[in-house]
Amino acid sequence: GAGVSQSPSNKVTEKGKDVELRCDPISGHTALYWYRQRLGQGLEFLIYFQGNSAPDKSGLPSDRFSAERTGESVSTLTIQRTQQEDSAVYLCASSRGQASNQPQHFGDGTRLSIL
Amino acid sequence: KNEVEQSPQNLTAQEGEFITINCSYSVGISALHWLQQHPGGGIVSLFMLSSGKKKHGRLIATINIQEKHSSLHITASHPRDSAVYICAVGPQLGNTPLVFGKGTRLSVIA
Repeated sequence: GAGVSQSPSNKVTEKGKDVELRCDPISGHTALYWYRQRLGQGLEFLIYFQGNSAPDKSGLPSDRFSAERTGESVSTLTIQRTQQEDSAVYLCASSRGQASNQPQHFGDGTRLSIL
Repeated sequence: KNEVEQSPQNLTAQEGEFITINCSYSVGISALHWLQQHPGGGIVSLFMLSSGKKKHGRLIATINIQEKHSSLHITASHPRDSAVYICAVGPQLGNTPLVFGKGTRLSVIA
């Protein structure tokens, strides 16, 4: 498709399990972002990839969170030993070129529920 | 104090009313973004602007760089405009992520 694709759309898992979330950005978009949105809250920045530069991990809330990106394509966000507080919608966005002066295109998100 | 402040937090309007949502920020920016998040959760980029004014259909966005303030206007509002409107700024400091406001929840009643 032409847009940002995220999978799965919903994920329910038990506390303590690891989860992996996937994002396929728009082809040609060098920048990719992961955000978290807790119920009723605003967007919270997690991590940002720009081309082959070292990612900006300043938003990751703990060392249980990590993300990878293969070149300028797919990214995976991994949460290890999930906690109930990790329940949220995880949103991915991509943009052409650098950072803040390009429109961001968002995926529909992965709704993660930790039991 | 948040770097990006939006007002009001919540807004209820009658169909047809003219709506204004405000955004103030405290950092130097390269661009300001207005986003729309529908009740189903999907987020759409409405505008990106660094000066002046942009218009798309019934939506108008303005920015005053000197006053560090932007407004989003909706003319002839409609129930389908009901959504959360989010202001975000791209700081001037090179390659940095957007800073988001907390959003304004708009409900337009028929």
